[in-house]
Amino acid sequence: GESVGLHLPTLSVQEGDNSIINCAYSNSASDYFIWYKQESGKGPQFIIDIRSNMDKRQGQRVTVLLNKTVKHLSLQIAATQPGDSAVYFCAENMSGGSNYKLTFGKGTLLTVNP
Amino acid sequence: DSGVTQTPKHLITATGQRVTLRCSPRSGDLSVYWYQQSLDQGLQFLIQYYNGEERAKGNILERFSAQQFPDLHSELNLSSLELGDSALYFCASSTSGSSYNEQFFGPGTRLTVL
Repeated sequence: GESVGLHLPTLSVQEGDNSIINCAYSNSASDYFIWYKQESGKGPQFIIDIRSNMDKRQGQRVTVLLNKTVKHLSLQIAATQPGDSAVYFCAENMSGGSNYKLTFGKGTLLTVNP
Repeated sequence: DSGVTQTPKHLITATGQRVTLRCSPRSGDLSVYWYQQSLDQGLQFLIQYYNGEERAKGNILERFSAQQFPDLHSELNLSSLELGDSALYFCASSTSGSSYNEQFFGPGTRLTVL
């Protein structure tokens, strides 16, 4: 989930387990959501996105679920691998089209134990 | 490698000084975004340029400015630097200015203000 200040929420899983990372977003008018992965020393990397007219989208080993009723987003990673260890951010786009305003959550640190 | 390059990788300067960060987008990308990442504020959107023109503004201070040149590279100028400006600065690019385009992030510039 989200956090305030310096303390990132952390999730520790065993290799091969499924991971679920949660995110609460703030604006009910947000129409587009993205999950990013950031490994240590690198820039964020796009994982998967979803528009507000969908409630589920699947990628390779990842699934994003959107619950607009409670403004909640989750990222599910199947068969988690050590290479999945990173900070995961959700981002919401608060206005569509050309009026860009992407707001990022504070992130969740995922640690995968071999 | 995302194809986005940023220079310099590290920058150490003193309070009150001015610095310029440089970003080259992926080949063919017309839109450039600047972000600031700090421990207490997380990843914050600063400004977006599309094909040389400012497209959207986020939480960018008046002491900061940016531009995108005809060859599409972009510079972020930070002036009257304060200790609190110490952060990672990321540039990202996308093919168009649409909010729904995937953004590709560069490796970042780490700015330390002493």
